[in-house]
Amino acid sequence: QKEVEQNSGPLSVPEGAIASLNCTYSDRGSQSFFWYRQYSGKSPELIMSIYSNGDKEDGRFTAQLNKASQYVSLLIRDSQPSDSATYLCAPGGSQGNLIFGKGTKLSVKP
Amino acid sequence: DTEVTQTPKHLVMGMTNKKSLKCEQHMGHRAMYWYKQKAKKPPELMFVYSYEKLSINESVPSRFSPECPNSSLLNLHLHALQPEDSALYLCASSQDGAGPLSGANVLTFGAGSRLTVL
Repeated sequence: QKEVEQNSGPLSVPEGAIASLNCTYSDRGSQSFFWYRQYSGKSPELIMSIYSNGDKEDGRFTAQLNKASQYVSLLIRDSQPSDSATYLCAPGGSQGNLIFGKGTKLSVKP
Repeated sequence: DTEVTQTPKHLVMGMTNKKSLKCEQHMGHRAMYWYKQKAKKPPELMFVYSYEKLSINESVPSRFSPECPNSSLLNLHLHALQPEDSALYLCASSQDGAGPLSGANVLTFGAGSRLTVL
């Protein structure tokens, strides 16, 4: 079964800083990765997906995938208090069967 | 507003009760999912339905019985649960498709049903 490892945090960054969230995976065959954000008391929502080696940017978010080193990361530039949430990493499943990592709790301090 | 609707939002049941959780989506998605989430833990996959057929059962105890009456509805029937089954139960849906590069991995979650077993 595909597994991912995430530092559970909490990761605390000041407002305006870059938050870096990391995820390592064991299955070299993993072809895609998904980052979901979950606010406290809410359900997860997709924020980024990445399928190819390299970087993918969407607004303040950048996903990075390094298949040789088997890690995927999410950078959040100009972090805002509203980014405070738990970020879940998951490799793509064959049938949408996402197996989430433990999640990293991010706290952005004003 | 979420496009996946779950009812009830809260449910309290005894260990001998039979109850059901319901999930509905009208996005034309053909894959639907049940996840279980305990406090400070990530969602854990329970079941996957694809085109109304059960395609994945993650070794879930038989006291949880899923049902997909049609492409828009997903139920989770509960019977003889244990206190440790108390959790948030999340329903999700996605487009059909196979493979890790497909839209099947873009899940839309409902708000969840919080279950307490006494």
